Amino acid sequence: DAKTTQPPSMDCAEGRAANLPCNHSTISGNEYVYWYRQIHSQGPQYIIHGLKNNETNEMASLIITEDRKSSTLILPHATLRDTAVYYCIVRAERDDKIIFGKGTRLHILP
Amino acid sequence: DAGITQSPRYKITETGRQVTLMCHQTWSHSYMFWYRQDLGHGLRLIYYSAAADITDKGEVPDGYVVSRSKTENFPLTLESATRSQTSVYFCATGGTSGSPFFGPGTRLTVL
Repeated sequence: DAKTTQPPSMDCAEGRAANLPCNHSTISGNEYVYWYRQIHSQGPQYIIHGLKNNETNEMASLIITEDRKSSTLILPHATLRDTAVYYCIVRAERDDKIIFGKGTRLHILP
Repeated sequence: DAGITQSPRYKITETGRQVTLMCHQTWSHSYMFWYRQDLGHGLRLIYYSAAADITDKGEVPDGYVVSRSKTENFPLTLESATRSQTSVYFCATGGTSGSPFFGPGTRLTVL
């Protein structure tokens, strides 16, 4: 079973920051938080991952709470091309498999 | 080109037929995965492989067979296709500490 809980859908205005929450209250000490997104009918695309420190790359920022029970993916300036389903996944770094939950369907509004 | 490829991209078959979906990667990643995604739903793990000759069941393995004789290939076989196996199938690869990369998918229709 997926170890994360996400809202089923969210809206965000184009140009604004999109903040996607994820709860992972049973996360273990060696488990990372990964984020993927899937744009209509395409294969999932890796976005970012982190263990306990906040992370930033060219696509997004990942904010993990101090107790690591939740995190937020931030798309700083959302565009229409960011419309997708976003998946938050918990996985040990050297674990075999990635189990997807239902994700959050993000709609970027013009 | 380097990367991950899936073939065929589209397949129509009939109930009871055997069909094999191919996945090929050029990165020499140790891990390979097969997922299925039904219309309007999330991805479910079918099988995965940590290395050549090592495979393990995922969430929904029934009705599928996999093999991994070479690191770069991870074929998925439906031995006797059923309509419930109509789906989009995604292959993914990853290193021991990397984030898996997904292929473009194979859209399979079983009539």
